[in-house]
Amino acid sequence: EDQVTQSPEALRLQEGESSSLNCSYTVSGLRGLFWYRQDPGKGPEFLFTLYSAGEEKEKERLKATLTKKESFLHITAPKPEDSATYLCAVQAGRNTDKLIFGTGTRLQVFP
Amino acid sequence: EPEVTQTPSHQVTQMGQEVILRCVPISNHLYFYWYRQILGQKVEFLVSFYNNEISEKSEIFDDQFSVERPDGSNFTLKIRSTKLEDSAMYFCASSGHTEAFFGQGTRLTVV
Repeated sequence: EDQVTQSPEALRLQEGESSSLNCSYTVSGLRGLFWYRQDPGKGPEFLFTLYSAGEEKEKERLKATLTKKESFLHITAPKPEDSATYLCAVQAGRNTDKLIFGTGTRLQVFP
Repeated sequence: EPEVTQTPSHQVTQMGQEVILRCVPISNHLYFYWYRQILGQKVEFLVSFYNNEISEKSEIFDDQFSVERPDGSNFTLKIRSTKLEDSAMYFCASSGHTEAFFGQGTRLTVV
């Protein structure tokens, strides 16, 4: 069965303290790995798509990387406004475009 | 910036009643989805819709649920005979090719 596991469940950082969030996946035929940001009571907001091992994408303080087994979301010098839950999702297999989500990492950045 | 719009933002209904959740996808998108998120749990796929028919559905999406695209802009999720366990955030999403963009959700509370 396709599975997505995110760690840690929660992360508290001081403003400016860089860190990484992990998303490991066990799927048959990965077609894409997606990172979303979700604020409380809101819908997931698209951040990145990664398609193949070795690929990297960057946006402001965020950088996503992908290997054959996992993806990392690196947060450089975070600010309080980066506080949110970060969701990882995969699309896998033929004839399907559904997203399989992990449980997310809840990030809190303190000033 | 184009966005997915969902109404209502919050719906309270009595157990056994029918509800219709509404969505306006991004205008040039062709693929439409419903997901749900029970409080504290992961986002779960319900159904995908393409070319005026269901392309895929999950085990959750049983005869209690139906989807419709009644006109060129709206996409609806109907839940018949609601149960307490249907209480959740329901997210509509649309996609042009790869990335899915989510609405802000409808919080459904069944009492």
